[in-house]
Amino acid sequence: DTAVSQTPKYLVTQMGNDKSIKCEQNLGHDTMYWYKQDSKKFLKIMFSYNNKELIINETVPNRFSPKSPDKAHLNLHINSLELGDSAVYFCASSPTAGTGRENEQFFGPGTRLTVL
Amino acid sequence: RKEVEQDPGPFNVPEGATVAFNCTYSNSASQSFFWYRQDCRKEPKLLMSVYSSGNEDGRFTAQLNRASQYISLLIRDSKLSDSATYLCVVIYGGSQGNLIFGKGTKLSVKP
Repeated sequence: DTAVSQTPKYLVTQMGNDKSIKCEQNLGHDTMYWYKQDSKKFLKIMFSYNNKELIINETVPNRFSPKSPDKAHLNLHINSLELGDSAVYFCASSPTAGTGRENEQFFGPGTRLTVL
Repeated sequence: RKEVEQDPGPFNVPEGATVAFNCTYSNSASQSFFWYRQDCRKEPKLLMSVYSSGNEDGRFTAQLNRASQYISLLIRDSKLSDSATYLCVVIYGGSQGNLIFGKGTKLSVKP
């Protein structure tokens, strides 16, 4: 199936731990994103990568570090997890610039992170 | 003023009803506009783009009013399956620029 996939789907961990969320897309897209959706359902962009290069880095604590080994993968590593990090994290990708659809977001199923 | 504002609802309507949602945005340089749909505990999915001339896709009609800085979504003949949260998305900054999501409007269609 062509899609954006994320692992794990659920992540429950203790405060202070370090965790990673993986994302892969097989749509051939050049741009990938990480979003955070908090308990109030507010969806906010965190990072955007185009062909492995960072292009958007919103005001996010530097405990969050994205890593893009290739343009099909964008992983999110979180250090020293805090209670406020509990949220659903969505990965997304969008088509190549110039296709007319470059702002269309294709989302992964989300990773529900709970920090205890 | 928030960048993208939507009435959170919920809008509770009977099947067959027509319902309209509005979304206002604060950045006059905004260039692209979309409606996304998000089902409970699922990821958002693109419903439709919004063009200056307005556009229609089946029972769904989207309109853009640049002068007043708002976009709208009209759903005719509501179905039970239309129950979801509808997210307004505004983009500024050119291609693959900054995407701002509204908090969404929740729609519940009842039999």
